Amino acid sequence: QVQLQESGPGLVKPSQTLSLTCTVSGGSISSGSYYWSWIRQPAGKRLEWIGHIYTSGNTNYNPSLKNRLSISIDTSKNQFSLRLSSVTAADTAVYYCVSVDTALAHFGYWGQGTLVTVSS
Amino acid sequence: QSALTQPASVSGSPGQSITISCTGTGSDVGSYNLVSWYQQHPGKAPKLMIYEVTKRPSGVSNRFSASKSGNTASLTISGLQAEDEADYYCCSYAGSSTFVVFGGGTKLTVL
Repeated sequence: QVQLQESGPGLVKPSQTLSLTCTVSGGSISSGSYYWSWIRQPAGKRLEWIGHIYTSGNTNYNPSLKNRLSISIDTSKNQFSLRLSSVTAADTAVYYCVSVDTALAHFGYWGQGTLVTVSS
Repeated sequence: QSALTQPASVSGSPGQSITISCTGTGSDVGSYNLVSWYQQHPGKAPKLMIYEVTKRPSGVSNRFSASKSGNTASLTISGLQAEDEADYYCCSYAGSSTFVVFGGGTKLTVL
């Protein structure tokens, strides 16, 4: 059973960079079975796909975030990471790392989520 | 890319059936058989309940079923149980650039 766990600061100042890491256990991130994605959810609002990455390093980003976004993968650590620059209060949300079947466009395994608040 | 439209809330009594609709456009729901549904209990991560419009992952109760007609997908929960009370989100593939769009979520109350 694949398990995912997010880690990173819970508070980020406006204009700074939000950085989160997802550690995958119970399977190899390099297996090729999944892509690895980030999804966020502002309080009381809908889910928003942020982007995803494959073991090869190929990425696909939400066009609305593309200019501020970077997703990377470290297969040696079984981890993938999110960096979102120039954050504002609108980026305050629970951030989930998720496995994604890109061919079938669904999200199977989810981390528990981590709340990131953007505030000075 | 526009988001999908769901009713804000639905309710039903134990044992009854309810249906949640999810309306998109010809660019997402109407063009692809790649609609998925997620159940989210308060403070928890979403859980995949349905994928590819009608398929259930292993371990999901067969009380959950789904369908699609045109630009609208639907999730039906039969034999409502107290544990079904949660938020439900639909999701559709929307092309290689946008990838997916989500619905706004529907709060299910079991009376």
